[in-house]
Order: sequence, then structure tokens, then C-alpha cells
Amino acid sequence: GQQLNQSPQSMFIQEGEDVSMNCTSSSIFNTWLWYKQDPGEGPVLLIALYKAGELTSNGRLTAQFGITRKDSFLNISASIPSDVGIYFCAGQQNTGNQFYFGTGTSLTVIP
Amino acid sequence: DTEVTQTPKHLVMGMTNKKSLKCEQHMGHRAMYWYKQKAKKPPELMFVYSYEKLSINESVPSRFSPECPNSSLLNLHLHALQPEDSALYLCASSQDRADTGEKLFFGSGTQLSVL
Repeated sequence: GQQLNQSPQSMFIQEGEDVSMNCTSSSIFNTWLWYKQDPGEGPVLLIALYKAGELTSNGRLTAQFGITRKDSFLNISASIPSDVGIYFCAGQQNTGNQFYFGTGTSLTVIP
Repeated sequence: DTEVTQTPKHLVMGMTNKKSLKCEQHMGHRAMYWYKQKAKKPPELMFVYSYEKLSINESVPSRFSPECPNSSLLNLHLHALQPEDSALYLCASSQDRADTGEKLFFGSGTQLSVL
């Protein structure tokens, strides 16, 4: 299957700091999704992206669809303790194809 | 409403037991998925149903048997599982339409322990 690499693998930051993470692939994708997952719960959809270069915000979260269509980025501004969790990207090449998941970025926010 | 409902939330079973996981969505989605997830790892695709037909089976052992009784329901029947099958089992759904952007919505999962 397709391999989506996320970096960094983990982050430890102070409350109030901004966070950036990315997801890269060797293949082109037409849809990028970003999720947050708490332990023992299902992933929650944060942002969906459908066009190269698209920039979409959801509150303090902003995600971008890379212009090469092989990557995507997620930024969190002014982090708070409830931002703690694992963030996954997911890509889909075409409708009807499966979604491929990134390796995840674990975020810890220190109060 | 973007809810996918999974039951039970937790399940403990022996290796000789037979049990079923259930999933329901009322968003009119036509694709439904089963994923298996180990702690701190990404979800791994097991099965995809599209318009109530099995469209993807990722070489899953036959001790896992999916069933899609109708467009809103998805079951996963479990029999003779192994301890290494212990994991979080996630159900998800999507519209499966080419004219709109796809979004994949997950349920809260069933935490399965096999003893």
C-alpha cells in the first residue's frame, strides 16, 4: 500500500506555542484529511482538503494541500492542553479508492 | 449529524468464543469500512463495503467475517480469535460519490481483548 510519512513523530511543547506538522507521500493524492485521536477513541475529522494549494481553517487549526499534491501541512496556533493527542493525516487518490493513513504525530502540551 | 455508532464499546472474549461487532450510520453514506488499530499506530484497513457489496478485503484472516445487512449497518463477526487480534476496531463511513469531496467519519471504536 501507499506510505504516508508524518513528521515529526512526536512533539513536546509549552502551552501557548504554535505547532506545525506535515505529511508526505511519493504519490499524488486528490484528497487530504486531518484527524485527531484521543486514547481509546476513534479519530475525529478536523479538516478536509480537495485542491492543490488550498488553505482551510477550523478555529485555531489551519491545513494546506501542497501544490505538488504529494504533501499536506497542519498548523495549530496557541496550543492548549486539550490539543494533546495523536494527529493523523489520510490521503485518497481517487473517489472509491481507499484512504491511506500517515504514521501519526503525537502531541504533548505542557501547561 | 456526522455520527457513526459502534457497539459494544469494550469486549473481552476467549479464543473459542463467537462475538459480533456492530456499526450503524444514518448519514446516507454508501461506503462503510472496518479498520483495526494497535496502540499509537495508524488504522489498518480490513474491509470496505461499497453500495452494500464487499469491494476491498485486505487479506484478512477468515476468523474475521464482515456483513453488511443494509446501507446503514455493518457487522464484524469474530470467531476463534487469537490474543494478537486484541486491538481497537474502528468502523467508518463515507459518501462514495465522485461529484463531492470525500470525508471519512469514524465511530468511537470497540476495544477488543482476546484472552
